[in-house]
Amino acid sequence: DTEVTQTPKHLVMGMTNKKSLKCEQHMGHRAMYWYKQKAKKPPELMFVYSYEKLSINESVPSRFSPECPNSSLLNLHLHALQPEDSALYLCASSQALGRSYEQYFGPGTRLTVT
Amino acid sequence: QKEVEQNSGPLSVPEGAIASLNCTYSDRVSQSFFWYRQYSGKSPELIMSIYSNGDKEDGRFTAQLNKASQYVSLLIRDSQPSDSATYLCAANTGNQFYFGTGTSLTVIP
Repeated sequence: DTEVTQTPKHLVMGMTNKKSLKCEQHMGHRAMYWYKQKAKKPPELMFVYSYEKLSINESVPSRFSPECPNSSLLNLHLHALQPEDSALYLCASSQALGRSYEQYFGPGTRLTVT
Repeated sequence: QKEVEQNSGPLSVPEGAIASLNCTYSDRVSQSFFWYRQYSGKSPELIMSIYSNGDKEDGRFTAQLNKASQYVSLLIRDSQPSDSATYLCAANTGNQFYFGTGTSLTVIP
């Protein structure tokens, strides 16, 4: 089973709202990732967690705040977003950080900021 | 040079033909490589991984890795209209994955 789940599937929020995206995997993977993807572009890495610790933050604005409460869950807290933050937000996981590990994506959350 | 580069296409092939997708990479990411298929509006789906020089076959898909020339390719035999999608090449450096810009494939019935 290589399933990563994400909720919600769609989210519309105003620029003053606070919302959270959730990601869950039950494959025992110890590395989890957040990506942002705009139309006709490749996924753009935002954050990497390894063993529940933040490993990589790709200079993401502070209005995006990641959280890894345990090894199966990954959250992305959103606050004061801009319309240009509208995108498909993808969560992914791999067994661990390392060159031979495959990465699996969840279905994504389609975010629209109004 | 970008870590991973792909020809964005679009690539069109008739149904039943072989589709050939190519990807080149820089020295910085010369480790393990992956092909993802992404349908419009959906998330990327892993279809092949390759770690050593040579060919790796899985059903209608064959991945090829040539480390001397720094390229990775994906062949899709007997292409079907359901193969129409964007194909992303990715490299895993150990700490993160680098993605190419993707090649759009259309299989014409």
